[in-house]
Amino acid sequence: EDQVTQSPEALRLQEGESSSLNCSYTVSGLRGLFWYRQDPGKGPEFLFTLYSAGEEKEKERLKATLTKKESFLHITAPKPEDSATYLCAVQATYKYIFGTGTRLKVLA
Amino acid sequence: NAGVTQTPKFQVLKTGQSMTLQCAQDMNHNSMYWYRQDPGMGLRLIYYSASEGTTDKGEVPNGYNVSRLNKREFSLRLESAAPSQTSVYFCASSQVPSSGNTIYFGEGSWLTVV
Repeated sequence: EDQVTQSPEALRLQEGESSSLNCSYTVSGLRGLFWYRQDPGKGPEFLFTLYSAGEEKEKERLKATLTKKESFLHITAPKPEDSATYLCAVQATYKYIFGTGTRLKVLA
Repeated sequence: NAGVTQTPKFQVLKTGQSMTLQCAQDMNHNSMYWYRQDPGMGLRLIYYSASEGTTDKGEVPNGYNVSRLNKREFSLRLESAAPSQTSVYFCASSQVPSSGNTIYFGEGSWLTVV
């Protein structure tokens, strides 16, 4: 069964304290792995797409990496404005399968 | 750059009432989707339309119907609302989904059924 599991469910960091969010997946025929940011009361906002193991992408303080079984979203020196829920999704054939997200709170 | 636009933003319904959520995208995407998001459950696919003229059931289709009106518009109808349908609904779109294309979301519609 195709499945996406994100950990931890919630994470509290001090401003400047780097950390990583994990997205583990089992899917037959991975077409792409996606990271989104979701703020309260808003729709998911696209961050990155990764297609193959070993691929990395960066945007400001965020860096996403992909292996054959998991993806990491590394947050370097986070700021309070990075507080949000981060969603991971995989695409298999016609379907996008989402994890339940990691709620990140960055304290000033 | 509007992207995916959905209306209404908020709605309160009484049990048994019907309503339609509207969605339109301006990205010339072929595929459109309706998801619901509930605490601890993540985003669950209700229905999708791979291309204009086609619709298919997703993971949780019971109690819903959809219409792909044209390439731009995809509506979700609740024929007889139930409290279990209280949720946040997101419309989304993408190019051909079999090619690893990114899916883009609207801002959501908050529905409460009392």
